Amino acid sequence: GESVGLHLPTLSVQEGDNSIINCAYSNSASDYFIWYKQESGKGPQFIIDIRSNMDKRQGQRVTVLLNKTVKHLSLQIAATQPGDSAVYFCAETDNYGQNFVFGPGTRLSVLP
Amino acid sequence: GAGVSQSPRYKVTKRGQDVALRCDPISGHVSLYWYRQALGQGPEFLTYFNYEAQQDKSGLPNDRFSAERPEGSISTLTIQRTEQRDSAMYRCASSLDSANEKLFFGSGTQLSVL
Repeated sequence: GESVGLHLPTLSVQEGDNSIINCAYSNSASDYFIWYKQESGKGPQFIIDIRSNMDKRQGQRVTVLLNKTVKHLSLQIAATQPGDSAVYFCAETDNYGQNFVFGPGTRLSVLP
Repeated sequence: GAGVSQSPRYKVTKRGQDVALRCDPISGHVSLYWYRQALGQGPEFLTYFNYEAQQDKSGLPNDRFSAERPEGSISTLTIQRTEQRDSAMYRCASSLDSANEKLFFGSGTQLSVL
């Protein structure tokens, strides 16, 4: 099957700890951001989104933080579980088009 | 359908042959996107449609690549005279609306050009 992210930056966390995955973006006009989770052999799966009129949004065990001043996005996962092991991508778009631009990805590895 | 469906799941072809990749989006979704994803990288935008209209094809690498969505539902991505560098995972995604809505991805077509 397909292997995703063979040479990606890796974040290793202990099961039960919190994880923080970061993403920097360059387009100051970007106003909509999404975090995707991609498991091996599967397509990217939506986790959480945030629009530029917010700086924080919470979901179930996940929180996205947006700092427009420094063009930085982060994904926080609480009480990380083995099932959270995957590659995580941030994606951005702006009102001038619908083209979502994806970041390079981070592999999250959950240690038992 | 329940999700975005792509076919074939795997395609192996010889250099110089044409290939057609199919995407069946979620029923009722207005927007349809094609992305290409190389190993170890994020999806790279190719083109997208709103209904049957191709809105942006700026990501298509060259004129060997084309896409259509004639009835505003199923889409086909065609690569003519394939080259080895075209080998990649080709992913389709759809979204409910055209106004900055989350994308739902299919499982992709893994293209291998020998």
